Amino acid sequence: QVQLQQSGAELVRPGASVTLSCKASGYTFTDYEMHWVKQTPVHGLEWIGAIDPETGGTAYNQKFKGKATLTADRSSNTAYMELRSLTSEDSAVYYCTRWLLCFDYWGQGTTLTVSS
Amino acid sequence: DIQMTQTTSSLSASLGDRVTISCSASQGISNYLNWYQQKPDGTVKLLIYYTSSLHSGVPSRFSGSGSGTDYSLTISNLEPEDIATYYCQQYSKLPYTFGGGTKLEIK
Repeated sequence: QVQLQQSGAELVRPGASVTLSCKASGYTFTDYEMHWVKQTPVHGLEWIGAIDPETGGTAYNQKFKGKATLTADRSSNTAYMELRSLTSEDSAVYYCTRWLLCFDYWGQGTTLTVSS
Repeated sequence: DIQMTQTTSSLSASLGDRVTISCSASQGISNYLNWYQQKPDGTVKLLIYYTSSLHSGVPSRFSGSGSGTDYSLTISNLEPEDIATYYCQQYSKLPYTFGGGTKLEIK
């Protein structure tokens, strides 16, 4: 069965960077794009961007360019999202989700808290 | 960006009721509209894709319809496990965008 297992909750200092991971299983990793979605009470669900694990090609929401960098490791079937120059505005739950004309499977979410 | 509006942020209904949740796009999206369910523990699941196609394993009491800018999700015969927040999402144009969500509660 398809599973997307995300890394655990993070507490990081303002100004730091963090890398979140999403390990895929139950399907061929390179057959589907992996997308990332941010959820906050204020802004709701926001699409961050996507990566094609086959080619490494990426697409980003303009709002998150410079904030997020997406990568994928085909050898471990894992997608990564690095977030840099963190502020309190980056505190959120982040989801990875598989895409084929819809987000058909989602990870359980990673809670990121940015605080000193 | 295409704005997705779910005008009803919360909805209360009784078990067995038929419930309709609406979603409106700021421009036509040619039926490129999906619906998701988010449970209180944060778990997100796909319900409906391309306006009206039921995702595998989703109960048939869920259905979707719409065209142009206006879309809806209907749950017939409401069951306790349907307590959740429901989101629409358009994929007509990047960036993909979501509605603000409709929280469904049981009376």
